[in-house]
Amino acid sequence: AQTVTQSQPEMSVQEAETVTLSCTYDTSENNYYLFWYKQPPSRQMILVIRQEAYKQQNATENRFSVNFQKAAKSFSLKISDSQLGDTAMYFCAFMKLNSGNTPLVFGKGTRLSVIA
Amino acid sequence: NAGVTQTPKFQVLKTGQSMTLQCAQDMNHEYMSWYRQDPGMGLRLIHYSVGAGITDQGEVPNGYNVSRSTTEDFPLRLLSAAPSQTSVYFCASSYRVGNNSPLHFGNGTRLTVT
Repeated sequence: AQTVTQSQPEMSVQEAETVTLSCTYDTSENNYYLFWYKQPPSRQMILVIRQEAYKQQNATENRFSVNFQKAAKSFSLKISDSQLGDTAMYFCAFMKLNSGNTPLVFGKGTRLSVIA
Repeated sequence: NAGVTQTPKFQVLKTGQSMTLQCAQDMNHEYMSWYRQDPGMGLRLIHYSVGAGITDQGEVPNGYNVSRSTTEDFPLRLLSAAPSQTSVYFCASSYRVGNNSPLHFGNGTRLTVT
C-alpha cells in the first residue's frame, strides 16, 4: 500500500518570503501522479499543482513549484513571494497511474501560516 | 456547473441516530468518493465508486454505507451514529480515477455526534 508522509505539522513564513513544504511517499509503483491540495480556513479543498512521475521536469503554477525527486520519493512544494492568502492547510497526495480503482492517498497535512 | 454539492453543511446527531449525507455532481464524473477529515489525521477514504452500481470500501468504512444508483449522486449513510464519527466529511469526484484527473471536492459537512 502507498503511504504519504508530511513531516512538518506546522510552518510559518513571513509575507513575501519563500517557504518549502516537505512530502515523501512510499510506493513500489513506477508510474503515478502526485498532487498538492490547499485547504484555506473556508474548508474548501483546492488543487494547487500536480506532477506526473514520468515527467522529469518539475511542475510550476505561478508562485507554486515542486521539487520532484523520484529516486528519493520526495515531492516538496515551494511557495515563492508568500501572500497572506496562502495561509492554509496543505495536503500532499499520491495516485497510481491507470490502476482502475485506486483512489487518492493523502498525507496528514501541513498547516502554513503567512505572517504579515 | 455547480460542481460537487454536499448537504447539509452542518449536522448534530445523538448517538444511535441515523442520517444520510448527500453528494451530487453535475460534471458527469465516473469516480466519486467520501473522505473524513480529523485533526492530525489528514483525509481518510471511507468509500468510493468508479461508476453507477459500483462501490468499494476505503480505509475506514465501518459504520458507513453507500450506494451509487446514478452517475450524479453518491449518498453516505450513517446507520447508527457514534461519537467517533464526529468529523468533517468531504465528497469528491473526478472524471476517472487512475489518470491525472484532479479531484473536485464539495465544501464539506461538519458532523457532531453527542
